[in-house]
Amino acid sequence: DAGVIQSPRHEVTEMGQEVTLRCKPISGHDYLFWYRQTMMRGLELLIYFNNNVPIDDSGMPEDRFSAKMPNASFSTLKIQPSEPRDSAVYFCASSFPGWGNEQFFGPGTRLTVL
Amino acid sequence: ELKVEQNPLFLSMQEGKNYTIYCNYSTTSDRLYWYRQDPGKSLESLFVLLSNGAVKQEGRLMASLDTKARLSTLHITAAVHDLSATYFCAVDKRNTGNQFYFGTGTSLTVIP
Repeated sequence: DAGVIQSPRHEVTEMGQEVTLRCKPISGHDYLFWYRQTMMRGLELLIYFNNNVPIDDSGMPEDRFSAKMPNASFSTLKIQPSEPRDSAVYFCASSFPGWGNEQFFGPGTRLTVL
Repeated sequence: ELKVEQNPLFLSMQEGKNYTIYCNYSTTSDRLYWYRQDPGKSLESLFVLLSNGAVKQEGRLMASLDTKARLSTLHITAAVHDLSATYFCAVDKRNTGNQFYFGTGTSLTVIP
């Protein structure tokens, strides 16, 4: 299995531009999670899906952030418009449903907003 | 609010020494996970602890779980440089699906 796949791996953009991050979970995993990691705030859960349905988006910072999961093998996290404070590493993770299943993390997307 | 606290936050130790990282959490949970993150890399699953008293070992690392004390430990035996990384613990709160709550992380540096 290729593991969780994220693209792009690095993204540099200017303030005000739209940014779209992509994630392909491990086949058969019903849960998908988006995290953000910064030095100041550590690892934050933004949103997670179960069977393509958003379950908890309380971690999404504000309306500029949106996430979708149109099918079991693809999810996007969009920031529009982007701001310098959005600069961070964004991780996607997936897991099997059920008790005691660890989450498997993708390589992350390092986002820099100038 | 569920809290997961790790200590120490930073740990510098010499090769060959032993040390323990602690993970305390504030909610009832009997599932605890340890991850490792190398600089600039992603998180890698190390251990999954699923019950009170669970102990797992891999090489120089051993993790244990005491659900009554709401405490997990990650013990490092005879540290080597390759263990330098940041270690995270995570718990999942009952009845919240597979949502994890991560600790702040412990940055370990092993000095030759």
